Amino acid sequence: DLVLTQTPLSLPVTLGQPASISCRSSQSLVQSDGNTYLSWLQQRPGQPPRLLIYKISNRFSGVPDRFSGSGAGTDFTLKISRVEAEDVGIYYCLQATQFPPMYTFGQGTKLEIK
Amino acid sequence: QVHLQESGPGLVKPSETLSLTCGFTGASVKSYYWSWIRQSPENGLEWIGFFFYTARAYYNPSLKSRVTISADLAKNQLSLRLTSVTAADTAVYYCARLYGNDAFDIWGPGTMVTVSS
Repeated sequence: DLVLTQTPLSLPVTLGQPASISCRSSQSLVQSDGNTYLSWLQQRPGQPPRLLIYKISNRFSGVPDRFSGSGAGTDFTLKISRVEAEDVGIYYCLQATQFPPMYTFGQGTKLEIK
Repeated sequence: QVHLQESGPGLVKPSETLSLTCGFTGASVKSYYWSWIRQSPENGLEWIGFFFYTARAYYNPSLKSRVTISADLAKNQLSLRLTSVTAADTAVYYCARLYGNDAFDIWGPGTMVTVSS
């Protein structure tokens, strides 16, 4: 089974400083159609997850441009250029396999303010 | 604006059937793919399955033998049915809209379900 491993699991960051989260897959996420369906979600305390990034690097509507995604194959990264207080929460990567359909989440990275 | 709202019993006895509904405002159940996803401290976020009204539902292989996702078009609702529940099924259950083929862009607030006698 495909496994997504996120590092670190805990990420203390000073306000205004950058942050980076890694998501590594146990197998290539490139699908037969040539696309890689890797997305990132943010879950603030007490809220459902919120979509930040889809297809590796596309920011979803309304997401601040301090969030960016990159990567290819099995290694992906979410970066926050300057952390703000509202960024506190747990960040998840998510991969989508097309045939047969299957969606797998990483275990989450908890971002907190130092 | 699209809003989703999950509802159902918060407590289910072991071996019984968990039944939840997800109501939509601002969108039709016929217009998109819809998923159920659950979250527990033990298992994190877990995709349960998705449904599109003209096509079959697809399920997580780990739950496939126990789960059914369907829709009531007249009520504009999505339903989840999970049979033979155990304590391992205790979780917050979310319905969510599938964006494109690959991401979930709109989520309900979630509903907590506890399996206990």
